[in-house]
Amino acid sequence: KQEVTQIPAALSVPEGENLVLNCSFTDSAIYNLQWFRQDPGKGLTSLLLIQSSQREQTSGRLNASLDKSSGRSTLYIAASQPGDSATYLCAVFLDGSSNTGKLIFGQGTTLQVKP
Amino acid sequence: SAVISQKPSRDICQRGTSLTIQCQVDSQVTMMFWYRQQPGQSLTLIATANQGSEATYESGFVIDKFPISRPNLTFSTLTVSNMSPEDSSIYLCSVQDSSYNEQFFGPGTRLTVL
Repeated sequence: KQEVTQIPAALSVPEGENLVLNCSFTDSAIYNLQWFRQDPGKGLTSLLLIQSSQREQTSGRLNASLDKSSGRSTLYIAASQPGDSATYLCAVFLDGSSNTGKLIFGQGTTLQVKP
Repeated sequence: SAVISQKPSRDICQRGTSLTIQCQVDSQVTMMFWYRQQPGQSLTLIATANQGSEATYESGFVIDKFPISRPNLTFSTLTVSNMSPEDSSIYLCSVQDSSYNEQFFGPGTRLTVL
C-alpha cells in the first residue's frame, strides 16, 4: 500500500530564507508526483507536476526534484516571502491507475514565513 | 488549466439533513473526481464521477451516503446524505488533464454539521 509522508509537519522561517520541503513515498511505481499549495479553508492550487521519467521541474522561485528509486521528492522555495505562507501537499499518482485518478496525498507541511 | 467552480462555498447544516454540492468546469473533461478533507487531515478520494454511468466509489464510501450525478462533461454533483457531525469536512471536486494526468481542484465546499 502506497504511503506518502511529508517532513516537517510545520515550518516557520524569516522572510528571504531559502527552504526545502520533503516528501517520501513507499512504492516507487508512480506515474507522476504533484506538489500543491492550500491556503486555509481553500482548495488546492497545483504548483508543479513531475512525471516519473523526469528529475526536476521549475516554476519561478519553486523547484521540485524527484528521485523515484529512493522514493523521495523535495520542493525548494527560494527567497521566501510572507505570501508563501500556506500548507504544501505532495501527492503521487500510481502507475497503472491512470484511469482512476487516485492521488495519494501526504499530510502536508504548513509553512509560515515571517516578515 | 481548467477553471473549476463549486457551490455552495460553505454551509452549516443540521444533523439528518442532506446537502448537494455542485461542481462546474469551464471545459469538457473526461475525468472528474470528488475528494473529502476532514479537519486537520489530508485529502481522500471519495469517488470518480463517470459521465453516463454510475460513479466508481473508493473503499469506505457508498452510493447511499454519497450519491453522485454526472449529466455531462462539464458538471457534477455530490450529495452528502443523512448528515452527522462526522461529515463536517471540506469537499473538493477535481478534474484530470488527459495529456499529463495532472489534476486541478475546485475551491472546495466547507461543510459544518451541527
